[in-house]
Amino acid sequence: AQSVTQLGSHVSVSEGALVLLRCNYSSSVPPYLFWYVQYPNQGLQLLLKYTSAATLVKGINGFEAEFKKSETSFHLTKPSAHMSDAAEYFCAVSDKGTYKYIFGTGTRLKVLA
Amino acid sequence: NAGVTQTPKFQVLKTGQSMTLQCAQDMNHNSMYWYRQDPGMGLRLIYYSASEGTTDKGEVPNGYNVSRLNKREFSLRLESAAPSQTSVYFCASMSRSQGGPNYGYTFGSGTRLTVV
Repeated sequence: AQSVTQLGSHVSVSEGALVLLRCNYSSSVPPYLFWYVQYPNQGLQLLLKYTSAATLVKGINGFEAEFKKSETSFHLTKPSAHMSDAAEYFCAVSDKGTYKYIFGTGTRLKVLA
Repeated sequence: NAGVTQTPKFQVLKTGQSMTLQCAQDMNHNSMYWYRQDPGMGLRLIYYSASEGTTDKGEVPNGYNVSRLNKREFSLRLESAAPSQTSVYFCASMSRSQGGPNYGYTFGSGTRLTVV
């Protein structure tokens, strides 16, 4: 069964510092991969998605993620953190041919002034 | 505004009571989903409906039932609520025509349910 692992349930960075949130998937066949963001007391919002086109995917709010097949990873990065980036981030995976997403356990990002 | 609407936003139930969580989308999406979110566990799929007229179990279906009333609406029912069902419930929808499963979900704002 498809699964996704997010390393680090909590990550703290200083404002202006690099943001790196880690996601690894388990699949012998490259799946579809997603990052979602959840602000407090809100639903989830799509940040970006990988669908086997470019391996470097750009999303909203300056975030990007790189698909690395050899490492089965899809880490999320942002060059310079902003206070408004504080939220919980979820990585999700979907097998091609299915319409179900499997979510990771989430990483809560804290941005320090 | 177009999107996924969930009702109610908050609910407190006593153990053994029943209730139905409602979800409606106005984006003409084919597929609809119910997830629960618990601290440290991410989102877990309860049930989904790939298209109108079909429903399937997800990862954690026990204690729940669903109805795909029409293309717009997908309800989740708790027949006899238990404290273990205290959670935040999210409904989501996705179009199967706009790129299929690589399109991404649209989520509702959630229902916070407490069972005492």
